[in-house]
Order: sequence, then structure tokens, then C-alpha cells
Amino acid sequence: SAVISQKPSRDICQRGTSLTIQCQVDSQVTMMFWYRQQPGQSLTLIATANQGSEATYESGFVIDKFPISRPNLTFSTLTVSNMSPEDSSIYLCSGLQGVQYFGPGTRLTVL
Amino acid sequence: ELKVEQNPLFLSMQEGKNYTIYCNYSTTSDRLYWYRQDPGKSLESLFVLLSNGAVKQEGRLMASLDTKARLSTLHITAAVHDLSATYFCAVDGVNKFYFGSGTKLNVKP
Repeated sequence: SAVISQKPSRDICQRGTSLTIQCQVDSQVTMMFWYRQQPGQSLTLIATANQGSEATYESGFVIDKFPISRPNLTFSTLTVSNMSPEDSSIYLCSGLQGVQYFGPGTRLTVL
Repeated sequence: ELKVEQNPLFLSMQEGKNYTIYCNYSTTSDRLYWYRQDPGKSLESLFVLLSNGAVKQEGRLMASLDTKARLSTLHITAAVHDLSATYFCAVDGVNKFYFGSGTKLNVKP
């Protein structure tokens, strides 16, 4: 099984600033994903992080707002840019290794 | 786009009772996953169902998959308070996963 860590675990940010979330997997995974989850809600897929190329974004999510990098098979970053209070949420990364494993999440509050 | 429907969304049950959570999905898929999420925590993988007729059991939980009916069930036997959590099913689409809305289970002592 894969163990996934995320940094930071939580943050409180000001409107208009940006935050980069890091996701590290302890072993190689074939695919990595970024999700957003509002409290009490299901998961919404933001994008698939592709190694060495541009991420594949879901409808409603754009690269300018959520730039993603994946330089290798075990690491990815998600940046939430020009934040507004509507971006307050939990951001989860996951890696696929037969089963999809999830990181602990980053709880973001935008004031 | 693949749709995944779970029901019920909320389930309050007494300890010792049995119940079933249902997960229906809209298009063909041979892989279905069940996850558990405790409040404030991330998702924990419970079961991976990889073919029609697959059945997996762990403790008081048993999951099954009927790909022809596009239906998976998560059966809870003799519920205990420790099973209180939110349960999600997820269907493997083409290079991505589609999650159900989740079933929030509360087992009352």
C-alpha cells in the first residue's frame, strides 16, 4: 500500500493570496489526483496530475486558478491562486496503486 | 458522464441491527471501491471489487458487486458504534473515479 502525506495540514489565508499544497507518496503510483471536499459533502475531482505534462482539469476548474505540477511519480503540488472565501475547503490528493490511496487532506480557510 | 447514486444518504441504526447501503451507477464499469471516512479524517479504503459477482468481507462489513445491474451493496451485520462513519462508493471510469454522495452512518448504543 502507498502512504501519502500532505503539507500543510491546514492554513488560514487572506483573500487574494496563493497557497501551494504539497503531496508526497512513499512509493511510485501510476496516477495522482487532486480533489476538493466541503464538510459533509462528497469529493469533487479538480484534476488528474500528469507526470511531466499539463494536468487534466475537470469542468469548472482551470489551470490559471489551480496550477498543478507533477515532476515525478511520487510528488505533486496544487496551487490555489488568487484565493477568495469560496475556496475554503479541504483539499485531498490521492495516488493510484491498484487502489486509490488518499492523503490526510489540507484544510484551507480563506478570510 | 458516469453517475453514482448512493442510498440512503443518512442512516441511524441501533447496535446489533443489520442494514444495507446501496450504490448504483449509470454506465458499465468492472471496478468499484468502498471507502470509509471518519469525521475530520481522510478516506480509508475498505474494499475493491473487480468483477461481476465479487464479494468481499471484513468483520461486520460485506460488499458485493453486480456489474449487470450496475449495483454494489455494503451490508452491515450486527452493527456496533465503532462503525459510525461516512461510507463512500467510487466507480472506476476512464482514468478517473466517480464518487457517490456518501452515506452517513450513525450507530446508536
